[in-house]
Amino acid sequence: GQNIDQPTEMTATEGAIVQINCTYQTSGFNGLFWYQQHAGEAPTFLSYNVLDGLEEKGRFSSFLSRSKGYSYLLLKELQMKDSASYLCAVPNQAGTALIFGKGTTLSVSS
Amino acid sequence: DSGVTQTPKHLITATGQRVTLRCSPRSGDLSVYWYQQSLDQGLQFLIHYYNGEERAKGNILERFSAQQFPDLHSELNLSSLELGDSALYFCASSVDSLGGGGREQFFGPGTRLTVL
Repeated sequence: GQNIDQPTEMTATEGAIVQINCTYQTSGFNGLFWYQQHAGEAPTFLSYNVLDGLEEKGRFSSFLSRSKGYSYLLLKELQMKDSASYLCAVPNQAGTALIFGKGTTLSVSS
Repeated sequence: DSGVTQTPKHLITATGQRVTLRCSPRSGDLSVYWYQQSLDQGLQFLIHYYNGEERAKGNILERFSAQQFPDLHSELNLSSLELGDSALYFCASSVDSLGGGGREQFFGPGTRLTVL
């Protein structure tokens, strides 16, 4: 089955850099997703990694190490609007569902 | 705006009642997924439909059922409601199934269900 672990909460200040880690255990691997979710709103797609390495997309980057079952989301030049929950997710073995971690709530202060 | 619509936005009902949540996927998407999100459990996968057929079941209670219609909209039926069913219910859609293709899911705004 799938198991995903993320820190529950993190805090940072505006302008800083923060790294949100995710470790996963999965039977079969079909990539790893990161979603952002503001309180009470729908999750929105941030990134998808299927190969090892770093994928950069503006202020956000995502890293994957398949051998270590590890990913991180790197947020640079933090802004107040980045305060949200960040969800790590992997497809199940059949590719018919996304299994989400419980999310990391990031609070950005000025 | 993801292009996925859900109605109603809010629903307040009593224990023992039955409700129906509705979802319309993005134009062209064949897959619909339902998720339940409560404060202590996070986002939990309930069920997946692809082009009208059930593809996968997650942590869905027997009191809950769903279907996807020929026009691809989907309904989630929750019956014999309990206090613990109070949660945000999200619908998501994608072009096809997730396996190997990195198909992102697009989430609707959710239905907040409150059971009193």
